[in-house]
Amino acid sequence: SQTIHQWPATLVQPVGSPLSLECTVEGTSNPNLYWYRQAAGRGLQLLFYSVGIGQISSEVPQNLSASRPQDRQFILSSKKLLLSDSGFYLCAWSLQGLGYTFGSGTRLTVV
Amino acid sequence: GQSLEQPSEVTAVEGAIVQINCTYQTSGFYGLSWYQQHDGGAPTFLSYNALDGLEETGRFSSFLSRSDSYGYLLLQELQMKDSASYFCAVRATSGTYKYIFGTGTRLKVLA
Repeated sequence: SQTIHQWPATLVQPVGSPLSLECTVEGTSNPNLYWYRQAAGRGLQLLFYSVGIGQISSEVPQNLSASRPQDRQFILSSKKLLLSDSGFYLCAWSLQGLGYTFGSGTRLTVV
Repeated sequence: GQSLEQPSEVTAVEGAIVQINCTYQTSGFYGLSWYQQHDGGAPTFLSYNALDGLEETGRFSSFLSRSDSYGYLLLQELQMKDSASYFCAVRATSGTYKYIFGTGTRLKVLA
């Protein structure tokens, strides 16, 4: 069966520090992968998606970047965090377009 | 712009039936998904509708009317554990399986 792993679960980082969040998928090959962010009490905003190694599409201009160095690995990064980067970050892969399976999420607080 | 509208909050008692509506305005439509999210957790996939009509999965059913740009999630025999936020999401593009999410409906189930 397919599983998706995301870490860390929580993170507190100072403003101006770098960020690296990792997501890996098991049990499938060439998945479509997605990074979403959820502000407190809000819906999910699509940040990046990837249909294959090295292929990244950005949905919203922001202080973040994404990379896909391996087929089942998706990384979200920032060189210098802003207060507004705080939120719940979710990695997801698509069930053949029928919906998403989400990772457990990373709750990021920028202080 | 593209938007999905859901009620912000719904309250019901244990054993009751509740319907959560979702209306959407998107540039394209390829399917409507529903997700459940408990406080502090990641969203979990509940259902998917691509064609008009009702899809039933246990106590949960989902309905779609493409001509009305409308869908709903029906929860029967409510249980306390159903207290959560529920999100509708529209797949507005083909191929990339990107979804646009509503802002969510917080369901409170009372004893």
